[in-house]
Amino acid sequence: DTGVSQDPRHKITKRGQNVTFRCDPISEHNRLYWYRQTLGQGPEFLTYFQNEAQLEKSRLLSDRFSAERPKGSFSTLEIQRTEQGDSAMYLCATGRFGELFFGEGSRLTVL
Amino acid sequence: EDKVVQSPLSLVVHEGDTVTLNCSYEVTNFRSLLWYKQEKKAPTFLFMLTSSGIEKKSGRLSSILDKKELFSILNITATQTGDSAVYLCARTQGGSEKLVFGKGTKLTVNP
Repeated sequence: DTGVSQDPRHKITKRGQNVTFRCDPISEHNRLYWYRQTLGQGPEFLTYFQNEAQLEKSRLLSDRFSAERPKGSFSTLEIQRTEQGDSAMYLCATGRFGELFFGEGSRLTVL
Repeated sequence: EDKVVQSPLSLVVHEGDTVTLNCSYEVTNFRSLLWYKQEKKAPTFLFMLTSSGIEKKSGRLSSILDKKELFSILNITATQTGDSAVYLCARTQGGSEKLVFGKGTKLTVNP
């Protein structure tokens, strides 16, 4: 257990629905990251927060994806109008300069 | 985007064998090279390398970086079944917080 909690652990949804994932980071870490991982691939960067500020966002992230980190504590990642290609493991991590502590992930299945 | 290429993609060995996993990368403004172990869900941090030729060790695992030839290796000696996992390599660059991961090497250690 790395101390990074994610919820829900597994979400099954129908195409077109909205989904939201939550990440509760290690309290003393002010940097928070979201990654996406599909089978047979390494994690793919989505976005990065320092405290409540979203400082970096992947060019691959479509407008259907939005992330927030109000008050610099927990973070949410919302996917609107889900597509089958969004099916993946969504990983949250905290830390700095690559020494990241990952949560167990939220697995999304879009039917 | 600048690539991270790992080889082999899959490796099966017997307990007690020594293995070498390879990672090559392309990036401008290189900052660090990292190794992670992913057993089931969350990747766990192993090493961060920033300087060429300086070996980092942790028990039976060791890693070294060659910034001139743009590669790193991860060695595992006297392998155990508990070493079975996917080993991920990632790089960072100056001016960005994101890690760019390779696809990973799936290591299976048989008794």
